[in-house]
Amino acid sequence: DSGVTQTPKHLITATGQRVTLRCSPRSGDLSVYWYQQSLDQGLQFLIQYYNGEERAKGNILERFSAQQFPDLHSELNLSSLELGDSALYFCASSVENRGEQYFGPGTRLTVT
Amino acid sequence: AQSVTQLDSQVPVFEEAPVELRCNYSSSVSVYLFWYVQYPNQGLQLLLKYLSGSTLVKGINGFEAEFNKSQTSFHLRKPSVHISDTAEYFCAVSGTIGSGNTGKLIFGQGTTLQVKP
Repeated sequence: DSGVTQTPKHLITATGQRVTLRCSPRSGDLSVYWYQQSLDQGLQFLIQYYNGEERAKGNILERFSAQQFPDLHSELNLSSLELGDSALYFCASSVENRGEQYFGPGTRLTVT
Repeated sequence: AQSVTQLDSQVPVFEEAPVELRCNYSSSVSVYLFWYVQYPNQGLQLLLKYLSGSTLVKGINGFEAEFNKSQTSFHLRKPSVHISDTAEYFCAVSGTIGSGNTGKLIFGQGTTLQVKP
């Protein structure tokens, strides 16, 4: 158990819908990262927050957004969902702005 | 920009044999290096990390890796594998503090280690 929690574990929804994925980092970690894992793209960095502020953006679609709240938990919002958004979404956390990251169990999103 | 290449997509090996999973990276700045393991239907677990200091790093479950700056490699080794080591292994890189890059991880495509009895 890494100490990073993610909910829900599984999510099945229809095209065009909007979903919210939630992540709670390890106690004491200030950075939260979101990654997408798919068969064709592999593991791709989406976005990073550090102590409530956005620090870096990767290949994140405009339909996707995220935020980190004062209690340091983070949410990833995915809207106007398409079939190609089906993937595993991982949250990771680290103590500082970089260094080793600890991953949550992931949320498996299936868009039908 | 940074990139990671894992040279083998699949590595079959018999139980109790040694194994090496190869990883090469490309970066214009100093790097931190990591190996993660992913068991079926689970998240990624940190196996080991190179941040600074000794180039030979030891991790969990008997794994070790050697950072070779001149060859830009970070190969993962284990002297004797078990059936339970069957999993997907990912090599990852990030920029160091002061490199100007962020802490995001760039992953390789993964290597499937198949341990046979």
